[in-house]
Amino acid sequence: QQQVKQSPQSLIVQKGGISIINCAYENTAFDYFPWYQQFPGKGPALLIAIRPDVSEKKEGRFTISFNKSAKQFSLHIMDSQPGDSATYFCAAFSGSARQLTFGSGTQLTVLP
Amino acid sequence: DVKVTQSSRYLVKRTGEKVFLECVQDMDHENMFWYRQDPGLGLRLIYFSYDVKMKEKGDIPEGYSVSREKKERFSLILESASTNQTSMYLCASQTPPINYGYTFGSGTRLTVV
Repeated sequence: QQQVKQSPQSLIVQKGGISIINCAYENTAFDYFPWYQQFPGKGPALLIAIRPDVSEKKEGRFTISFNKSAKQFSLHIMDSQPGDSATYFCAAFSGSARQLTFGSGTQLTVLP
Repeated sequence: DVKVTQSSRYLVKRTGEKVFLECVQDMDHENMFWYRQDPGLGLRLIYFSYDVKMKEKGDIPEGYSVSREKKERFSLILESASTNQTSMYLCASQTPPINYGYTFGSGTRLTVV
């Protein structure tokens, strides 16, 4: 069963634009909602994370927006750069299960 | 920095072969995981381990087994490889104190012919 649904599957953005990736979850027992970034030939790496009692978290050009009532969260990449081109995974962490559940991934391409 | 090393970057195996994928982490972490990555399906958990000689099934354990004889090494075993096991396999180590922070290896691209 897919507990974290991610969209879109692919995204093309012009340099300087805003990239937005959306995720929705089903299990209300998740404790953290991280995002991972994966470059070709590499494993995913932790990018940014948010707790469910916070509505927004910003780190540089990357912002997570969290809507607890709607069970949705999204990653916004401001001023997108070609170097941001990668696959992005949203995830949900359950402390009780001690596991991450990943979304299906979004392949982002930022055109120069 | 934590380093997670997967022994092979690319592997080609024949149907029916027994396949071993090796993963080593260098930070004495207790929790290790094996995922497979397929386009459109994301990362799916195969098996995980919270300690030496301990293993737990993930979401898609069928056709796989694991071994953890030493804390730093977590091996994924395909008992009899099949073509539907062609995939990218990723090993990860959970990096305390950030429980949602995993360090991944670079992956093994396995092709079963």
